[in-house]
Amino acid sequence: DIQMTQSPSSLSASVGDRVTITCRASQSISTYLNWYQQKPGKAPKLLIYAAANLQSGVPSRFSGSGSGTDFTLTISSLQPEDFATYFCQQSYSTPYTFGQGTKLEIK
Amino acid sequence: EVQLLESGGGLVQPGGSLRLSCAASGFSFSSYAMTWVRQAPGKGLEWVSGISGVGGSTYYADSVKGRFTISRDNSKNTLFLQMNSLRAEDTAVYYCARRVVPAHSFDYWGQGTLVTVSS
Repeated sequence: DIQMTQSPSSLSASVGDRVTITCRASQSISTYLNWYQQKPGKAPKLLIYAAANLQSGVPSRFSGSGSGTDFTLTISSLQPEDFATYFCQQSYSTPYTFGQGTKLEIK
Repeated sequence: EVQLLESGGGLVQPGGSLRLSCAASGFSFSSYAMTWVRQAPGKGLEWVSGISGVGGSTYYADSVKGRFTISRDNSKNTLFLQMNSLRAEDTAVYYCARRVVPAHSFDYWGQGTLVTVSS
């Protein structure tokens, strides 16, 4: 199975900050990497697919990059509604494994 | 509008069985692969199982292989997850989600249904 490792596990930031979350795969997954946002008690929401493509309706302050084994999710200017948990997920091969999550909290 | 609505969760004893359903609407159900993802209380996301659009191909996580069976009824726009030999570690919120071609991402999710395995 492909292991996905996110860092950091938690992050404190302020409104307006630029934040970056990193995801590393245990083997090359090309650009089969997706990012999800989850708020408490809610289902995950797709933000970025295929490493760098913004899902329809997602604000442009979210961006993704990377290929192979190393990927990043960047939020250019944090908004109050962005405080949530973020998960990366590889879809290169089954089982489609997720990272352990990054909890983004208000400083 | 795409909607996915899970049902069938509840409290079950260890060793018991449960069948989850996911009713889909707002899209051509048979054209899409579907998946189940679960989340144990306070934990991360775990992919459980997937099925192709016509149901000919199914996939399982090792943790549920041989105990869970995914299926679909395209005439009723419904996805199922039959869960047998349930264990305490199967306790989780179970989400159904639609899988799309771009990078096999999951673009729509249901609200989830809670399965609790406890005596």
